[in-house]
Amino acid sequence: QLQLQESGPGLVKPSETLSLTCAVSGGSINTINYYWGWIRQPPGEGLEWIGSIYYSGTSYDNPSLKSRVTMSIDTSKDQFSLHLRSVTAADTAVYYCARLARAIRGVRGYYFDQWGQGTLVTVSS
Amino acid sequence: QSALTQPRSVSGSPGQSVTISCTGTSSDVDAYNFVSWYQQYPRKAPRLMIFDVNKRPSGVPNRFSGSKSGNTAFLTISGLQAGDEADYYCCSFAGSYTWVFGGGTKLTVL
Repeated sequence: QLQLQESGPGLVKPSETLSLTCAVSGGSINTINYYWGWIRQPPGEGLEWIGSIYYSGTSYDNPSLKSRVTMSIDTSKDQFSLHLRSVTAADTAVYYCARLARAIRGVRGYYFDQWGQGTLVTVSS
Repeated sequence: QSALTQPRSVSGSPGQSVTISCTGTSSDVDAYNFVSWYQQYPRKAPRLMIFDVNKRPSGVPNRFSGSKSGNTAFLTISGLQAGDEADYYCCSFAGSYTWVFGGGTKLTVL
């Protein structure tokens, strides 16, 4: 059974960089069949897609985050990471990592099928 | 990239059916059959309930079904049970390797 686990500081100061890591167990991150993604949820609000990364290191992020996002992947450790620069209070949220199925023509589309439990990150001085 | 539009809340009595809508645009919901739905209990991670508009992962009861018409997708829950009370989110591929979620709908079982 695949499991994902987020880790990182629970408190980040304004203007600094938020850094989180997602450790994957019960399966390999080094696969052509899936992307690996980050989704966040501000307290009392809805879900927002942050970005996704492929085993090759190719990544995509939400344009609304104005290029503040950097992602990396370490297939030797089965983990991937998120770095969000210049954070403000608006970045306070529960951050989830998730597995994103890659679309295969005629077989399946894109969907987030496995999620971590989430980790709360608060931006405050 | 704007969030997909969902009703903030819906309700129904046990045994009834409810339908949650998810309205997007010609660039996301209408353009691709890559709509998925997630169930989320308070302080828990989301759970995949429907993918590719109308497919159910193993373990999801067949009381949950999905459909789409134009730029609006729908999640229907039939035979409502108390345990279905949760928040539900839709998600769509929006092209150029981006994804967009709906604002979420709170389902209350009366």
